Amino acid sequence: AQTVTQSQPEMSVQEAETVTLSCTYDTSESDYYLFWYKQPPSRQMILVIRQEAYKQQNATENRFSVNFQKAAKSFSLKISDSQLGDAAMYFCAYRSGATNSGGSNYKLTFGKGTLLTVNP
Amino acid sequence: EAGVTQFPSHSVIEKGQTVTLRCDPISGHDNLYWYRRVMGKEIKFLLHFVKESKQDESGMPNNRFLAERTGGTYSTLKVQPAELEDSGVYFCASSQVEVSEQFFGPGTRLTVL
Repeated sequence: AQTVTQSQPEMSVQEAETVTLSCTYDTSESDYYLFWYKQPPSRQMILVIRQEAYKQQNATENRFSVNFQKAAKSFSLKISDSQLGDAAMYFCAYRSGATNSGGSNYKLTFGKGTLLTVNP
Repeated sequence: EAGVTQFPSHSVIEKGQTVTLRCDPISGHDNLYWYRRVMGKEIKFLLHFVKESKQDESGMPNNRFLAERTGGTYSTLKVQPAELEDSGVYFCASSQVEVSEQFFGPGTRLTVL
């Protein structure tokens, strides 16, 4: 079974600075997807960024980028020029890339989350 | 376009009572997922519907939990009878097809006293 580990329960960053959130995972599969989700206080969880395991290039979305190290099974999220609106719980998640039917291939496996505080 | 909605937002019940949670997915999304986060732990998968069929219910904790999706639109998750360990936040998500992004609802916070 796949597992996702976020070793930092809480992190803080000064506004305009850069912060990196860690995520490691364990899987025996070669085809999979990794995600970072953000849940602001009292709001819905939204997708921040997604990485396909077969792609060597790290995904980026504006101020958000990932450092995907497939051999090390590491998937960290870097937030540049942090803004007050980035304050949220961040969840790392894994999904199998297998497309055969009849199983749990589409479920997301989450880490425990990292609570990010942005200080003005 | 409306997002995924869940009702109620909070529910407080006593042990042994029954509670029904509702999820309305984004219109046109055939796939609907239920997840649960117990305090301090990971968000855990419960089950996955494709239209009205249960594609995968491997995460359902026990037979006190019953999920339905009649007509392939909204879904309900009933807990009967509720136990203390059922407390947590229940999330619903939907996606257009299995491989596409899952959009999450705001969650229902269930407290069992």
